[in-house]
Amino acid sequence: DAKTTQPPSMDCAEGRAANLPCNHSTISGNEYVYWYRQIHSQGPQYIIHGLKNNETNEMASLIITEDRKSSTLILPHATLRDTAVYYCIVRVNDMRFGAGTRLTVKP
Amino acid sequence: GAVVSQHPSWVICKSGTSVKIECRSLDFQATTMFWYRQFPKQSLMLMATSNEGSKATYEQGVEKDKFLINHASLTLSTLTVTSAHPEDSSFYICSARDRRLGRNQPQHFGDGTRLSIL
Repeated sequence: DAKTTQPPSMDCAEGRAANLPCNHSTISGNEYVYWYRQIHSQGPQYIIHGLKNNETNEMASLIITEDRKSSTLILPHATLRDTAVYYCIVRVNDMRFGAGTRLTVKP
Repeated sequence: GAVVSQHPSWVICKSGTSVKIECRSLDFQATTMFWYRQFPKQSLMLMATSNEGSKATYEQGVEKDKFLINHASLTLSTLTVTSAHPEDSSFYICSARDRRLGRNQPQHFGDGTRLSIL
């Protein structure tokens, strides 16, 4: 499975968009990009996933570059409750987590 | 949406006892479930893949005789930590994927079981 690289931490002001980057330069053609988040002491929560087209749902938008070597998760209007560790994962079969990005939304 | 339930949510046991953790898919069937362990301030580490009706597949370095996995039905997988010791104290999390959907569909996670061995 392809490895991912994410910044260890980011801050975002409440109400602003949070843009979380992920590099996955070794991604192969049949691997999807998944985003999860984990709020303290809870199980990971699924956010969104995609293959090569940009995706949007009620939680977030996923922008995947044309070469698929990187992606960005966008939380359009971050709230304090979006403070969590965000994981970008690429895989075909089982799901393996990297260190993720600790997003802190500040008032 | 798909719901995965874990029980118990937390457990405290004496050293040497065995502890069983249940993982249930409530509104879907799962041929495959996954077990993870998470130590404080670390990421989730995949321990094993649980396959309904067959043996689990363990990750390198995970003792299969220490962490017994049983996936007897399409909605239930259990992880038994045998002869638990303080170093087994951790946050154990399971996940499952709806068997009706393609392999690229996301896994859904339980809320975890916090195990403390005294």
